[in-house]
Amino acid sequence: KAGVTQTPRYLIKTRGQQVTLSCSPISGHRSVSWYQQTPGQGLQFLFEYFSETQRNKGNFPGRFSGRQFSNSRSEMNVSTLELGDSALYLCASTLRGPTTGELFFGEGSRLTVL
Amino acid sequence: GQQLNQSPQSMFIQEGEDVSMNCTSSSIFNTWLWYKQEPGEGPVLLIALYKAGELTSNGRLTAQFGITRKDSFLNISASIPSDVGIYFCAGQLYGGSQGNLIFGKGTKLSVKP
Repeated sequence: KAGVTQTPRYLIKTRGQQVTLSCSPISGHRSVSWYQQTPGQGLQFLFEYFSETQRNKGNFPGRFSGRQFSNSRSEMNVSTLELGDSALYLCASTLRGPTTGELFFGEGSRLTVL
Repeated sequence: GQQLNQSPQSMFIQEGEDVSMNCTSSSIFNTWLWYKQEPGEGPVLLIALYKAGELTSNGRLTAQFGITRKDSFLNISASIPSDVGIYFCAGQLYGGSQGNLIFGKGTKLSVKP
């Protein structure tokens, strides 16, 4: 059974640019959440989607946005990139729905902003 | 906001030794979970705990949900080199939602063969 797939795995952008990251959840999983991981702040919640609806959003500026498609695949977008946006962005899906903490994580997309 | 205090931050141990790490908070959690992250990978769920006082094992790993619901412990017995990684605790507040899932900063485990 394929795991959570995130693309791209690595990318380098410059300040002011925008980036779109993609996540394909495990087949049958309808809930997808996104996390930002940095050495200083650890794992921080960005958004949570279930059945194409954003159920919850973390404490991030409006430059961070996301969406979920009818096939449960999800994308997140960061506009007007800042140096501090450099991080590992992790996507996770769940079998038991959006209320569970039992997450299956992808390998992440490592974003470097220069 | 809520914070989880995970300790120790890092551990350097000899193969075969037992390991203990813990997570504490000033908030009461409904669920405690333990994840492990290896270099270049996403976190992987090790153990989930749903009841105060619950003690659950997964192979050489044992985790406990504290009676006060404000803490959790993870023990690894007879460590081996593949135990290397960062161990994260996570607490989920009542009301369920990944938005209510708070992660600790992690315990980095190094095992010397």
